[in-house]
Amino acid sequence: EPEVTQTPSHQVTQMGQEVILRCVPISNHLYFYWYRQILGQKVEFLVSFYNNEISEKSEIFDDQFSVERPDGSNFTLKIRSTKLEDSAMYFCASSLEGGLKETQYFGPGTRLLVL
Amino acid sequence: AQRVTQPEKLLSVFKGAPVELKCNYSYSGSPELFWYVQYSRQRLQLLLRHISRESIKGFTADLNKGETSFHLKKPFAQEEDSAMYYCAPFYNQGGKLIFGQGTELSVKP
Repeated sequence: EPEVTQTPSHQVTQMGQEVILRCVPISNHLYFYWYRQILGQKVEFLVSFYNNEISEKSEIFDDQFSVERPDGSNFTLKIRSTKLEDSAMYFCASSLEGGLKETQYFGPGTRLLVL
Repeated sequence: AQRVTQPEKLLSVFKGAPVELKCNYSYSGSPELFWYVQYSRQRLQLLLRHISRESIKGFTADLNKGETSFHLKKPFAQEEDSAMYYCAPFYNQGGKLIFGQGTELSVKP
């Protein structure tokens, strides 16, 4: 069964550094998402992406964040200048369509630690 | 604002006991309602969704629009049901899931 994959599984970085988290969505899916979960807190929506454009973004997704689909398979989340509070588990998800009936399939997550 | 409340952080039951994991959501438009589950060391995966009216692994969830609740139930819990359970309304604007805090279900032998 096809799965969403994410790399790396863990990343440690210094405050102020740029990080790129990578995701390979399920191949025929058209909608892509990033969520994050700070330790001990709820899973929070960051951004949704369709047709090479951001569909919606949350308040968390400020100018330090960007997403890109650089080729036909990868979907990346870039944090330009990381802060301590960016430490979290970041989940990528994809769905075939974007409507109410569609299931979002999640990747295993990337644990980001900012020191 | 769109909110989801799962009042129990931890629910501990014995094998064979009934289970109810509570979820209340704020009403804004017509969300579709999902329950996601995360077993130990595994990814978030869909357990069930209201629109399908299905029963997965013995779990069911009834939507009560008057109470804006979508509680998850199972009549006889099994040890393999131990996991984190997240209630997640889906709001069509922007296509986002709004997750609750999650309830950790622990089923003891």
